[in-house]
Amino acid sequence: GQNIDQPTEMTATEGAIVQINCTYQTSGFNGLFWYQQHAGEAPTFLSYNVLDGLEEKGRFSSFLSRSKGYSYLLLKELQMKDSASYLCAVINSNYQLIWGAGTKLIIKP
Amino acid sequence: DAGITQSPRHKVTETGTPVTLRCHQTENHRYMYWYRQDPGHGLRLIHYSYGVKDTDKGEVSDGYSVSRSKTEDFLLTLESATSSQTSVYFCAISESEQGQPQHFGDGTRLSIL
Repeated sequence: GQNIDQPTEMTATEGAIVQINCTYQTSGFNGLFWYQQHAGEAPTFLSYNVLDGLEEKGRFSSFLSRSKGYSYLLLKELQMKDSASYLCAVINSNYQLIWGAGTKLIIKP
Repeated sequence: DAGITQSPRHKVTETGTPVTLRCHQTENHRYMYWYRQDPGHGLRLIHYSYGVKDTDKGEVSDGYSVSRSKTEDFLLTLESATSSQTSVYFCAISESEQGQPQHFGDGTRLSIL
């Protein structure tokens, strides 16, 4: 089968750094997305990785290791508005998008 | 923001009734998707479309049908709604399935009593 594993919930402190991990086992790989979803809202696109390495976008960075089937999303200088769920999704060899269940991130003052 | 409109935004109906959800886009994107999202599950694909009148099943297609008669509209129909279909339904669009992100509508909260 195909699956994506993410921690269910994480807690971090305002101003700190948090790393959300995603491991995947899929039939092939054609890219990985990270999305942010605030409660009661739609998912919004954060980042895309297709090659190994780190992609940086402001306070958010995403890392990929294809050989390890592993990615992480790094959030720096956490703000209260970063409280949300973070979804990892992988494009497999059939160009299907396989979604993880998401990680709920709670930010405390 | 991508121009995607879902209607209705909320609906409560009874078991056994037909329900149609509409997704309308103004981006002229080729690909459109219907997902459901339930607590403890990731987004699960119901059906998708890769062009006008071209549709295919996703992983949870039983009990659902779709139609796409125009590029901009993708309809999801529950022929005879059941309580297990109570969920939040999201429509998404993308330019291609290769490396382009999907952009989501605001969702429809559907309750089947």
